Amino acid sequence: EDQVTQSPEALRLQEGESSSLNCSYTVSGLRGLFWYRQDPGKGPEFLFTLYSAGEEKEKERLKATLTKKESFLHITAPKPEDSATYLCAVRYTGANSKLTFGKGITLSVRP
Amino acid sequence: NAGVTQTPKFRVLKTGQSMTLLCAQDMNHEYMYWYRQDPGMGLRLIHYSVGEGTTAKGEVPDGYNVSRLKKQNFLLGLESAAPSQTSVYFCASGNGDEQFFGPGTRLTVL
Repeated sequence: EDQVTQSPEALRLQEGESSSLNCSYTVSGLRGLFWYRQDPGKGPEFLFTLYSAGEEKEKERLKATLTKKESFLHITAPKPEDSATYLCAVRYTGANSKLTFGKGITLSVRP
Repeated sequence: NAGVTQTPKFRVLKTGQSMTLLCAQDMNHEYMYWYRQDPGMGLRLIHYSVGEGTTAKGEVPDGYNVSRLKKQNFLLGLESAAPSQTSVYFCASGNGDEQFFGPGTRLTVL
């Protein structure tokens, strides 16, 4: 069964303390991996799409990378406003545009 | 552009009551989706549509029906609400790649 696992479930960082969030997947043909940010009481906000191993995308303090089995969301020198839940989703071959989501990682950045 | 909008934002139902959630998008997207989000469960796909007049079942379709009579609208119906349907419901739209989400509807079934 295709699965998406995110770790850790929660992460607390001090402002400026860089770290990485992990998304691992069991795959029967990956067609895309997606990262979203979700603030409390709001809908997920699209961040990145990665399609092939070795690909990297950056936006401000965030950088997403992809290997054949997992993706990392690296957060460099985080600020309190980066506090949110980060969701990973994958699209598999034959999924007809459907996404399978992980349970998310709740990031808290203390000032 | 408003993006994806959802109506209503909050709703409380009694067991057995029915209701319809409305999703609208102004991005001319072909695909639309309904998800539910529960603590510890992540986002789960209820139903989706690959174009006007089409619908298909997702991961958790039981107890829900959908219709896509117009390209910009996707309706989610609960015919006889149950407490297990208490959740936050999100609509999303896209063109087969990234999906863009609405703000959500918080539904409580008593």
